[in-house]
Amino acid sequence: NAGVTQTPKFQVLKTGQSMTLQCAQDMNHNSMYWYRQDPGMGLRLIYYSASEGTTDKGEVPNGYNVSRLNKREFSLRLESAAPSQTSVYFCASSETGYGNQPQHFGDGTRLSIL
Amino acid sequence: GDSVTQMEGPVTLSEEAFLTINCTYTATGYPSLFWYVQYPGEGLQLLLKATKADDKGSNKGFEATYRKETTSFHLEKGSVQVSDSAVYFCALFRAGSYQLTFGKGTKLSVIP
Repeated sequence: NAGVTQTPKFQVLKTGQSMTLQCAQDMNHNSMYWYRQDPGMGLRLIYYSASEGTTDKGEVPNGYNVSRLNKREFSLRLESAAPSQTSVYFCASSETGYGNQPQHFGDGTRLSIL
Repeated sequence: GDSVTQMEGPVTLSEEAFLTINCTYTATGYPSLFWYVQYPGEGLQLLLKATKADDKGSNKGFEATYRKETTSFHLEKGSVQVSDSAVYFCALFRAGSYQLTFGKGTKLSVIP
């Protein structure tokens, strides 16, 4: 079982470049999430999609856009990358958005903005 | 707003030592509580969960009890192994919020 697959695993960008991080899940989950992980900050929610066709802002949405392409795929786009967006990005999914169902995480994308 | 506070690390223990990682939370209502573990270079994995007061979650020798009166969910293990070396995150989920709120993580290193 692949679970949640993120691509790419590593990326280096220059300031001002754009990029799309891809995420796909094969568990038929309805809800999907994008987080960023920074040292000493834990994980912070960027955007989420409660179900196919819906997206909503999380705690730190500025500088990002998302697309829920279909039930399996949820992409994160940086339109004009900034050094402050250097981070590790995690995609996650859950069966629904209700609290007692765990989220399943991908292995992350390590992104550096120079 | 919701928040989770974990003990700061890093924590270094000898193999077979007893582990406690403290976690307290602030949230309205009755959130679900989770412990996730992150091994080096990997994503987070669910370790255990509890969905109501006095529930005890357990997995792989780890335990945590949902204490509503002290708003706590401390992680314990009686005898740690080198393979338990990882970063541990406490998290809460409040119904209707669609968001997991994470603590900052506690890095555990177990030495032989």
